[in-house]
Amino acid sequence: QSALTQPPSASGSPGQSVTISCTGTSSDVGYYNYVSWYQQHPGKAPKLMIYEVNKRPSGVPDRFSGSKSGNTASLTVSGLQAEDEADYYCSSFTTTNVDVFGGGTKLTVL
Amino acid sequence: EVQLVESGGGLVQPGGSLRLSCAASGFSFSIYWTHWVRQAPGKGLVWVSLINTDGSMTRYADSVKGRFTVSRDNAKNTLYLQMNSLRVDDTAVYYCARGRWADYWGQGTLVTVSS
Repeated sequence: QSALTQPPSASGSPGQSVTISCTGTSSDVGYYNYVSWYQQHPGKAPKLMIYEVNKRPSGVPDRFSGSKSGNTASLTVSGLQAEDEADYYCSSFTTTNVDVFGGGTKLTVL
Repeated sequence: EVQLVESGGGLVQPGGSLRLSCAASGFSFSIYWTHWVRQAPGKGLVWVSLINTDGSMTRYADSVKGRFTVSRDNAKNTLYLQMNSLRVDDTAVYYCARGRWADYWGQGTLVTVSS
């Protein structure tokens, strides 16, 4: 159950787009279309932003989008806003029937 | 309004036990799978456990397998996590989260394992 690999940090200016990667293996990200993304502001509980690779829950702005290619999933935030500054975590189901998170990416809006 | 409220955290010595609870309200608890996820101070999220709707299927991270037991009481709309043989590295905020994709989370309960 190795954690998925995310860059520790990412940044962009307001209005720009930023993409955060999440690299796994052929036993998790590459096997299932069961990748989720969570946003967490300091001191707050995580919030689901994307599930099943590219589906947005009700209420999540369409500025947030997800994709996957091979063993790597990606979260793209378009039209960056100040409130998007947060930690982002990916998660995937695995072939051992457990879930695994990435290490998290701190997104800074410059 | 969907609410998940964790309780039962606290300070415990290494080797000790705790039982966490997660009280659900505002939705039909019995039809949702539920997760436990933890976060050590200043660290990232770590998946701990998952239980299906009737408790017949449970899954655990390798780090807690054999020490932690997840269960649920659908009549009481409550999820539990029995934690035994606690270690210092189990220190974390423990969250419960609703559904296969964890679409709602509680605010967490802090477990501190220290002598």
